[in-house]
Amino acid sequence: AQTVTQSQPEMSVQEAETVTLSCTYDTSENNYYLFWYKQPPSRQMILVIRQEAYKQQNATENRFSVNFQKAAKSFSLKISDSQLGDTAMYFCAFRSGNTGKLIFGQGTTLQVKP
Amino acid sequence: NAGVTQTPKFRVLKTGQSMTLLCAQDMNHEYMYWYRQDPGMGLRLIHYSVGEGTTAKGEVPDGYNVSRLKKQNFLLGLESAAPSQTSVYFCASGEGTFYGYTFGSGTRLTVV
Repeated sequence: AQTVTQSQPEMSVQEAETVTLSCTYDTSENNYYLFWYKQPPSRQMILVIRQEAYKQQNATENRFSVNFQKAAKSFSLKISDSQLGDTAMYFCAFRSGNTGKLIFGQGTTLQVKP
Repeated sequence: NAGVTQTPKFRVLKTGQSMTLLCAQDMNHEYMYWYRQDPGMGLRLIHYSVGEGTTAKGEVPDGYNVSRLKKQNFLLGLESAAPSQTSVYFCASGEGTFYGYTFGSGTRLTVV
């Protein structure tokens, strides 16, 4: 069975600085997709960034980028120039290319301090 | 507006009562999912569906049943509610490929 692990329950960063959130996963599949979602206090789930496992190039979306290490089964999220609006819970997610199952990690609460 | 709608948004049940949560999407998505969110546990997959008429078990399926009779609707049932089922429930839908998933706004369920 696949699993997703986020080992940092809470993190904080000063505004304008850079922070990296960790995520590891376990799977025997070769075809899958990885996502980072953001959940602000409003509770709405917002897609931050996505990565296809067969692509070696790391995905980037403006201030957000990932470090995808397929062999190590690691998928970390880097937030550059942190903003107060980045304060939220962040979830790492794995989607099986075979079954369509979509599972999430435990989440990391990020606080951006002024 | 296009999206995922969850009904109801709040509910209080007594132990042993039953209820059904409705998830409706108007984006013609094949894949639909039900999750529960508890503090420190993240989002845990209860059941999911890869198309009309199909369902599959997730990580924590016990005590829940689901049905997908119509493509746009995914129902989550609690036959005999227990206090351990107090949680926030989220529904999500997606195309099932590379694209991300659209989430509903959640249902806060309290079982007393």
